[in-house]
Amino acid sequence: EAGVAQSPRYKIIEKRQSVAFWCNPISGHATLYWYQQILGQGPKLLIQFQNNGVVDDSQLPKDRFSAERLKGVDSTLKIQPAKLEDSAVYLCASSPGYANEKLFFGSGTQLSVL
Amino acid sequence: SQQGEEDPQALSIQEGENATMNCSYKTSINNLQWYRQNSGRGLVHLILIRSNEREKHSGRLRVTLDTSKKSSSLLITASRAADTASYFCATDVGGAGNMLTFGGGTRLMVKP
Repeated sequence: EAGVAQSPRYKIIEKRQSVAFWCNPISGHATLYWYQQILGQGPKLLIQFQNNGVVDDSQLPKDRFSAERLKGVDSTLKIQPAKLEDSAVYLCASSPGYANEKLFFGSGTQLSVL
Repeated sequence: SQQGEEDPQALSIQEGENATMNCSYKTSINNLQWYRQNSGRGLVHLILIRSNEREKHSGRLRVTLDTSKKSSSLLITASRAADTASYFCATDVGGAGNMLTFGGGTRLMVKP
């Protein structure tokens, strides 16, 4: 079965610019997650969707970050405007059910903000 | 804040030796999971242990859970160079609107 697809793989932007990341989860997976992973740290949850509804976005910096999951399938994460501290790997993951069990991760988008 | 914290932060061993990583957490959990991350890649799920379980095995992996001490350990037996990666524990407290929270990871290097 196809895994979680993310694009782009790498992105370099200057501060105050905007950027968008795309994620296509495994077909049929109900729950989709966006995690931010700063170099040398563990992933930090930004937002979690069940189908196309938001379950948790308590750690999403809503003044600059936004995310949507259209029709309960693909998802996009946007940053506008970007700050230097947003440099990180953005990981998308999906899981089959509604419990947080056995997440499948994409390879991530590595963002560098200069 | 991170719910789980791994110890040690880094571990270097020779091929064939066993590797043990520990995870401590702060609040009661529904389950605890271990993931592996190779450099530049996404995380891969290894094993899940529920709060009412004390030990689970999967191939060369053995996970224990001590809910009274709020800690878990991951043992990799007969390590191989291919086991070189970062290992993360993740905790799920259960309930509506819960989130899976990752620790900072243990970086394991297995020397051939």
